[in-house]
Amino acid sequence: DIQMTQSPSTLSASVGDRVTITCRASQSISTYLNWYQQKPGRAPNLLIYAASTLQSGVPSRFSGSGSGTDFTLTISGLQPEDFATYYCQEIYSTVLFTFGPGTKVEVK
Amino acid sequence: QVHLVQSGPEVKQPGASVKVSCKASGYSFTKSLMQWVRQAPGHRPEWMGWIIVHNGNTKYSQRFQGRLTITRDTSANTTYMDLRSLRSEDTALYYCARDSPTANHVGALDYWGQGTLVTVSS
Repeated sequence: DIQMTQSPSTLSASVGDRVTITCRASQSISTYLNWYQQKPGRAPNLLIYAASTLQSGVPSRFSGSGSGTDFTLTISGLQPEDFATYYCQEIYSTVLFTFGPGTKVEVK
Repeated sequence: QVHLVQSGPEVKQPGASVKVSCKASGYSFTKSLMQWVRQAPGHRPEWMGWIIVHNGNTKYSQRFQGRLTITRDTSANTTYMDLRSLRSEDTALYYCARDSPTANHVGALDYWGQGTLVTVSS
């Protein structure tokens, strides 16, 4: 099974900050990686698919990069509505589609 | 506007089964692939399986083999998730989600239902 890790697990930041979250796969997954944002009591919301493609309707301050085993999600200019938990998800395996453990972005 | 509306919360005893429904509207249901994901309290989401709506073909996570069945009723624009032999570890929010028709690979979930809480307790 492909294992997914994320760092950091918690990130303290202020409005306007540039924030970077890292996701690592236990084996190469090419660019078969998605990023989701989840707020308390809500379903996850797709931000980025195929590692770097911005989902329709998602603000351009969100961007994704990486391939193989190492990926990053960057928020350029954190907004108040961006405080949430972020998950990466591999879609390479087609038998497990494993999510990462999540990174909580909290107010500094 | 795409909407996925799920059935209400369930409380089940260990060993029982649960069937959660997800009614789709606002897009061509028969041209879609629907997925199910669950999330236990305080945990990461966990993918369960999918169904190709037009032909009913399914794929399930190995973790649920033998206990999970996903079906659909195209006349009702509804997909169903049936989980059997419930145990306390199955207590979670269960979500249906639409697989994005614009991403070039299965797995990008662009619209989600509101979630159905399934509690397994004696």
